Amino acid sequence: TQLLEQSPQFLSIQEGENLTVYCNSSSVFSSLQWYRQEPGEGPVLLVTVVTGGEVKKLKRLTFQFGDARKDSSLHITAAQPGDTGLYLCAGAPQNTGFQKLVFGTGTRLLVSP
Amino acid sequence: NAGVTQTPKFQVLKTGQSMTLQCAQDMNHEYMSWYRQDPGMGLRLIHYSVGAGITDQGEVPNGYNVSRSTTEDFPLRLLSAAPSQTSVYFCASSTETAGTDTQYFGPGTRLTVL
Repeated sequence: TQLLEQSPQFLSIQEGENLTVYCNSSSVFSSLQWYRQEPGEGPVLLVTVVTGGEVKKLKRLTFQFGDARKDSSLHITAAQPGDTGLYLCAGAPQNTGFQKLVFGTGTRLLVSP
Repeated sequence: NAGVTQTPKFQVLKTGQSMTLQCAQDMNHEYMSWYRQDPGMGLRLIHYSVGAGITDQGEVPNGYNVSRSTTEDFPLRLLSAAPSQTSVYFCASSTETAGTDTQYFGPGTRLTVL
């Protein structure tokens, strides 16, 4: 059973466009993380959010944790080719502490010049 | 610092063979974990360890064994490889937890079981 569903699965856009990636679940999470993965490499952590309603910004990336801690979104403003990659959300289910992470299915983003 | 290292980078096995995937970190992290990544499935936790001598099962532990005799090393053993274990395997480490601390991932091992 996949606890975290991401949408869309694939996104192909032009440089300068805005986009939002969603990470949804029916379960409550103690924390939610977003990673970016390049081909042939391991995922790299972008952000961790732990409080319901929390918003964090990392340059052109804005991350939000849902009020009920069941969902999250990643918004990219004015996307650039360097943003291309696989974006993964990952959550620590509330009933398992912070030791086990469940990953989403991933969103593959392609930004063309 | 080398960070998290994994060997080998690629491996082809025949059904029934055994092998050990190596993982080492030089950051003195207590928490280490193994994931497998399959197309359309994201990453799934196989086993994890919160310190030397302590290991526990993740989401998909069947067919895999681990041990943690030192803080630095966390090998993953496949006892009798099956085609369903064809995947990319990632090792990761963090200071204490997976959900709040930064997890650093290795470059991965691409395993094919024929």
